[in-house]
Amino acid sequence: GAVVSQHPSRVICKSGTSVKIECRSLDFQATTMFWYRQFPKQSLMLMATSNEGSKATYEQGVEKDKFLINHASLTLSTLTVTSAHPEDSSFYICSARFTGFGGGESTDTQYFGPGTRLTVL
Amino acid sequence: AQSVTQPDIHITVSEGASLELRCNYSYGATPYLFWYVQSPGQGLQLLLKYFSGDTLVQGIKGFEAEFKRSQSSFNLRKPSVHWSDAAEYFCAVGAPGGGNKLTFGTGTQLKVEL
Repeated sequence: GAVVSQHPSRVICKSGTSVKIECRSLDFQATTMFWYRQFPKQSLMLMATSNEGSKATYEQGVEKDKFLINHASLTLSTLTVTSAHPEDSSFYICSARFTGFGGGESTDTQYFGPGTRLTVL
Repeated sequence: AQSVTQPDIHITVSEGASLELRCNYSYGATPYLFWYVQSPGQGLQLLLKYFSGDTLVQGIKGFEAEFKRSQSSFNLRKPSVHWSDAAEYFCAVGAPGGGNKLTFGTGTQLKVEL
């Protein structure tokens, strides 16, 4: 259980174009999803928190007009990188927050997608 | 605000040897604590988590971790490492009631020598 998918796994685009990345929780509903960015050999940097039916909350320094987040259903959040430039090239990872009961105990855990490698030429 | 320190950037162990990866956190109360593993080009897989109760928690793939409040630590251990355990390991801390917004450590790269 608690499987999260991301699509696409890899995308190459030209500078100035927009790219949409989907994050889906496959076997549970997630009112909250998170979007991270990871640079090579580095840790995860939280970009924003996506809440179903409301506006995303962006971390300091993240341009909300550049990284558009939509969380229209309990199983889908999308990240759109608008007018992408080479400096936006990175590994983007989403996670979905699972709350409830698992293994006989309450839990509050993020489950991660496999990531999307974005390359902007 | 919470923070996490993983003091070891790289660790190399021989296959079959024991492993301990260190994690220290800073938080005003007892946080939620997690260990995740990441293989190259992949997302993160949850190894184990601690919320409360028994301070020694068992996870997948034979890993365990012990929460030590007095040391603000949550070290990950495995008694016998397999070559397939080579990966990046991240410790993370979340604030109970804080929407589980996680703060990650910088990660420890594990190399396993055959």
